[in-house]
Amino acid sequence: GQQVMQIPQYQHVQEGEDFTTYCNSSTTLSNIQWYKQRPGGHPVFLIQLVKSGEVKKQKRLTFQFGEAKKNSSLHITATQTTDVGTYFCDDVENAGNMLTFGGGTRLMVKP
Amino acid sequence: GAVVSQHPSWVICKSGTSVKIECRSLDFQATTMFWYRQFPKQSLMLMATSNEGSKATYEQGVEKDKFLINHASLTLSTLTVTSAHPEDSSFYICSAPSRGTEAFFGQGTRLTVV
Repeated sequence: GQQVMQIPQYQHVQEGEDFTTYCNSSTTLSNIQWYKQRPGGHPVFLIQLVKSGEVKKQKRLTFQFGEAKKNSSLHITATQTTDVGTYFCDDVENAGNMLTFGGGTRLMVKP
Repeated sequence: GAVVSQHPSWVICKSGTSVKIECRSLDFQATTMFWYRQFPKQSLMLMATSNEGSKATYEQGVEKDKFLINHASLTLSTLTVTSAHPEDSSFYICSAPSRGTEAFFGQGTRLTVV
């Protein structure tokens, strides 16, 4: 599968600050999905982006798919301690639904 | 939403023994399931694709004889770690696609080999 790079690897923020993680690929992504994994838990699906330039919002979370479909971002406005976890992006290969995960960004929020 | 149940959630075993991990899709049929391994503070790495009624497809570097996968039915896939060693200690997690491309994950199994 394709290599999906995710930056940053770690991010410490003060509660109330914003947070952004980026997902980059050297090749065109099929569809991009975002997952959140709480410490000790399993990944939970957040959203899927399909179209070039697509922007979707879920409360304080904003997801964006680049125009060239080679990058994506997840932005959290006014972080809360409940946002703590690792955020993964993954590229979904349509054939067989195989997922290629990025390395993840571990978010830590100081109360 | 769709539920994938993974059992056991954690297991401690002695070096040299085998451990079986089960992954069940509870309210849908899964002809394909995926098995991942996640080392501490690292991403999920795909180990193999389990196919109902046929042989599993293993990723490069994953030993077929060590990680036995059996997709016995449309709702059950098992991963058996044979002759486990301490370096096999990891978090193993399965997933199954449902309703298009969304994947649902099992709860994961934390394996510790002593």
